[in-house]
Amino acid sequence: QKEVEQDPGPLSVPEGAIVSLNCTYSNSAFQYFMWYRQYSRKGPELLMYTYSSGNKEDGRFTAQVDKSSKYISLFIRDSQPSDSATYLCAMTPYNFNKFYFGSGTKLNVKP
Amino acid sequence: EAGVVQSPRYKIIEKKQPVAFWCNPISGHNTLYWYLQNLGQGPELLIRYENEEAVDDSQLPKDRFSAERLKGVDSTLKIQPAELGDSAVYLCASSAGTGARGGELFFGEGSRLTVL
Repeated sequence: QKEVEQDPGPLSVPEGAIVSLNCTYSNSAFQYFMWYRQYSRKGPELLMYTYSSGNKEDGRFTAQVDKSSKYISLFIRDSQPSDSATYLCAMTPYNFNKFYFGSGTKLNVKP
Repeated sequence: EAGVVQSPRYKIIEKKQPVAFWCNPISGHNTLYWYLQNLGQGPELLIRYENEEAVDDSQLPKDRFSAERLKGVDSTLKIQPAELGDSAVYLCASSAGTGARGGELFFGEGSRLTVL
């Protein structure tokens, strides 16, 4: 069993839709939770960064962490074609000694 | 500020040939990572450096892979000999490695290897 599980999609939505991306994990030592966005043939770039449980909002993006359920989510409001990319969840223990990535969800936002 | 620079972007070689990838991290970033990304998968750690020291190379296939980070700045990753299964994207990343911001990895664009 992988430490981080992520639905690979692909997920196709119309422009303006609300998108929900999710990951589950098994290691209770994870303290920091991240979402990376990766455009085709590019390296991943950090999108959101959350410590422990709770919500964090940044513009159209909201990250949620539920440590009791070992479940994290990324919501994208008013999705745009420019949001079309692969979204990778990642997590690490408090000492950042190793990052564990999900397999990525490919999102396509249709104009 | 320049980002993480990797070269070459693309490399096509025949199996059993050697190949090397180069990475220049963000200035001042002490922590450097090499990741392997297969198609449709997330990055998997190969090796992590703190300055010149390889602090985690447990996932590096040492029979054919080697890496170095001389002077704690640039790094090279070498494969010799390459096998068909090595076809993948090799990502280099760096981080400040301290405090909460140590969680932010900055990735290069990757080196895409095709082994024929």
